[in-house]
Amino acid sequence: EAQVTQNPRYLITVTGKKLTVTCSQNMNHEYMSWYRQDPGLGLRQIYYSMNVEVTDKGDVPEGYKVSRKEKRNFPLILESPSPNQTSLYFCASSLDYTDTQYFGPGTRLTVL
Amino acid sequence: QKEVEQNSGPLSVPEGAIASLNCTYSDRVSQSFFWYRQYSGKSPELIMSIYSNGDKEDGRFTAQLNKASQYVSLLIRDSQPSDSATYLCAVRYGGYSGAGSYQLTFGKGTKLSVIP
Repeated sequence: EAQVTQNPRYLITVTGKKLTVTCSQNMNHEYMSWYRQDPGLGLRQIYYSMNVEVTDKGDVPEGYKVSRKEKRNFPLILESPSPNQTSLYFCASSLDYTDTQYFGPGTRLTVL
Repeated sequence: QKEVEQNSGPLSVPEGAIASLNCTYSDRVSQSFFWYRQYSGKSPELIMSIYSNGDKEDGRFTAQLNKASQYVSLLIRDSQPSDSATYLCAVRYGGYSGAGSYQLTFGKGTKLSVIP
């Protein structure tokens, strides 16, 4: 089944404790992206990747890191999480940047 | 500043009626337009994509694009209670290249409620 997977789906952590949210797709997509969704603010892009080893900042990159060492994986790293990073996070992928983006199931992160 | 504006709603329509969802965008040089549906607590799923002026129909859904007015809409005919969700408009800005064209900008969504 073609899909985007994210892990974990739910995470409660404390301020400053490094964490990684994984994202993987099995559709051989070139383009991958991370979004956060907050009430009243909608979906905002954090980082995106055009292809392996090519990443760039989205609209809200502060406090996040990404890497794209393999085509199928695009992990999101929070080196020192803070409470304002409490949010619902979505990974998405598409064949290329012009194509429809398909979303993973989401990761609900709470930083205490 | 990239902006995609949607009426937040809630928009309430009776079952069987036509629901009309609207979206405006701020950059004339925009190439691709998408409508996503998002049920509460779930991920967005694509309903329609549209790239050129005019109407595009898919079952009960019709997307309408007017680039001169910078306006895109989604019509849902014969609305069903299962259509109750938040509808997100997304726009890919910029031309065929350049940083802006590599991103999707989303509106904040319109919440639709179909009353049985």
